[in-house]
Amino acid sequence: SAVISQKPSRDICQRGTSLTIQCQVDSQVTMMFWYRQQPGQSLTLIATANQGSEATYESGFVIDKFPISRPNLTFSTLTVSNMSPEDSSIYLCSVGGGRGLGETQYFGPGTRLLVL
Amino acid sequence: AQTVTQSQPEMSVQEAETVTLSCTYDTSESDYYLFWYKQPPSRQMILVIRQEAYKQQNATENRFSVNFQKAAKSFSLKISDSQLGDAAMYFCAYGAGYALNFGKGTSLLVTP
Repeated sequence: SAVISQKPSRDICQRGTSLTIQCQVDSQVTMMFWYRQQPGQSLTLIATANQGSEATYESGFVIDKFPISRPNLTFSTLTVSNMSPEDSSIYLCSVGGGRGLGETQYFGPGTRLLVL
Repeated sequence: AQTVTQSQPEMSVQEAETVTLSCTYDTSESDYYLFWYKQPPSRQMILVIRQEAYKQQNATENRFSVNFQKAAKSFSLKISDSQLGDAAMYFCAYGAGYALNFGKGTSLLVTP
């Protein structure tokens, strides 16, 4: 399994500002995923980030609001732009080796975001 | 779209006892994978167990086992000899592509 770290672990932000969350993996992985977990809710996939290509966004999520970078095989960032209180959530990155269907995903510790 | 349903928002079990968490899913795929993840208060998502749909044998990992009923689209998790450290949110997840679909979770309380 991969060891995944996220920065920051938590933050409190003012509405209208942006926050960039970093995800670092201890080994090279093909696919990285960003999920959102709203308070008391389950995980919802925001986008899939492959190195060397544009991120693929799920329905309801757009690049202008959640721009993603994937500069190499061990790192990715998710930016939450023009934040509102509705963006208060835990944001988790996960990795899968990309070997194919059913690859187990391993998760980072999450970033807890509170927007005032 | 595939959906994952966990009908038990909360469950409670006494230490050393056995508890079963339920999960059902809806899919038209024949080849897929199912997972149980645990999320303690630290919010770290931890893989508990994984089941390949093409395997009839139920997966087991130490005190954790599943009852996989493919025809019924049911995937329950049994925790034997429950320990205080088992207290957490448990999420059932379905994967037929690269990403996962999660259920809403079951909060497990373990009492001494």
